[in-house]
Amino acid sequence: GAVVSQHPSWVICKSGTSVKIECRSLDFQATTMFWYRQFPKQSLMLMATSNEGSKATYEQGVEKDKFLINHASLTLSTLTVTSAHPEDSSFYICSARRQGDQPQHFGDGTRLSIL
Amino acid sequence: DAKTTQPPSMDCAEGRAANLPCNHSTISGNEYVYWYRQIHSQGPQYIIHGLKNNETNEMASLIITEDRKSSTLILPHATLRDTAVYYCIVPKISGTYKYIFGTGTRLKVLA
Repeated sequence: GAVVSQHPSWVICKSGTSVKIECRSLDFQATTMFWYRQFPKQSLMLMATSNEGSKATYEQGVEKDKFLINHASLTLSTLTVTSAHPEDSSFYICSARRQGDQPQHFGDGTRLSIL
Repeated sequence: DAKTTQPPSMDCAEGRAANLPCNHSTISGNEYVYWYRQIHSQGPQYIIHGLKNNETNEMASLIITEDRKSSTLILPHATLRDTAVYYCIVPKISGTYKYIFGTGTRLKVLA
């Protein structure tokens, strides 16, 4: 159990367009979902924390108007990168957590390339 | 900042036990330690977590010192597929469950 699906796994788009990434917990209900970004040869950086039905909490330095997060249900969260530019190119990873001290379970990531 | 310290890299012979240490000297009494690994271009894979007692599952064993200031992840019989970056994590702030990833340990299993 504890499978997290992320879609798409890979996307290329032109500068200025918006891109939506979906994160689904397939076999459990997630109290909280998290979004991370990872640049080449670096570790994961937490972008935001999302609880179902409430506004996301963003980490310092992350623009909330650029990275829109929606957590509409206990099994789905979406990240929309608005007006994407080449510097937004990165590996975006989501995770989901049931409740309490249960571990986060991660999706396989979305590789975003902005031309 | 990450609350854990790990060696940047380790090598292990295939078939031998891999022992990966982690220092988390500032851990508080109710914080768990979580271990994950990341194979290139994939999301992190959960391995094991613990609070005080040693834990074992089908993937690994976790040994936590009595003072809880450090722990060791043990892969009993390492295989080439265990080559990955291993992360030891203590949630950033008690109760928020947010993970701050450090640089981890890059384990290379050698044939």
